[in-house]
Amino acid sequence: GAGVSQSPSNKVTEKGKDVELRCDPISGHTALYWYRQSLGQGLEFLIYFQGNSAPDKSGLPSDRFSAERTGGSVSTLTIQRTQQEDSAVYLCANILSGSSYNEQFFGPGTRLTVL
Amino acid sequence: AQSVSQHNHHVILSEAASLELGCNYSYGGTVNLFWYVQYPGQHLQLLLKYFSGDPLVKGIKGFEAEFIKSKFSFNLRKPSVQWSDTAEYFCAVMPYGNNRLAFGKGNQVVVIP
Repeated sequence: GAGVSQSPSNKVTEKGKDVELRCDPISGHTALYWYRQSLGQGLEFLIYFQGNSAPDKSGLPSDRFSAERTGGSVSTLTIQRTQQEDSAVYLCANILSGSSYNEQFFGPGTRLTVL
Repeated sequence: AQSVSQHNHHVILSEAASLELGCNYSYGGTVNLFWYVQYPGQHLQLLLKYFSGDPLVKGIKGFEAEFIKSKFSFNLRKPSVQWSDTAEYFCAVMPYGNNRLAFGKGNQVVVIP
């Protein structure tokens, strides 16, 4: 497809379980971001991947959160031992390679609910 | 760390009314500025952006925003709203040379037909 896709669109899990969220970026977009959108809190930066450089993990809220990007393409965000406060919409965004304008294209998000 | 402030989180207005949403940021250097919109059930999409040049930026759907450097502001405006403008609007700032976007908490706008 032409846009950023994310899966699953919705995920309900029990407290303490691990979850994996997937982002399929737009082909050719080398920069990939993960954000968390909580009710009334706007978007919170989590992690940023750019090409083969080490990722910027400075936004990850705890060591239960991790992310990887395989082959410069698909990215997976993993949350271990989920807590109720992890409930949010997790968004993935890409930047077009070579763009001088840094416009981020967002995916539809994964709505995570931790019971 | 820089922050982005959006006031009046909930805005309710009638069709044809004018809309202005405030955005202030706390960063002293050169910045790139964005407004994103999220319509009900849809994902975030870019409304308009400012990088340099004319501080009055025109976006899609009749929106515009004005960058006032001295006030660290980038307010969004639309002279006459429509019911279809019901959405959540986010202001975002990216310091020049930094690839991280800082978002405000958003404005939930409801337009009553």
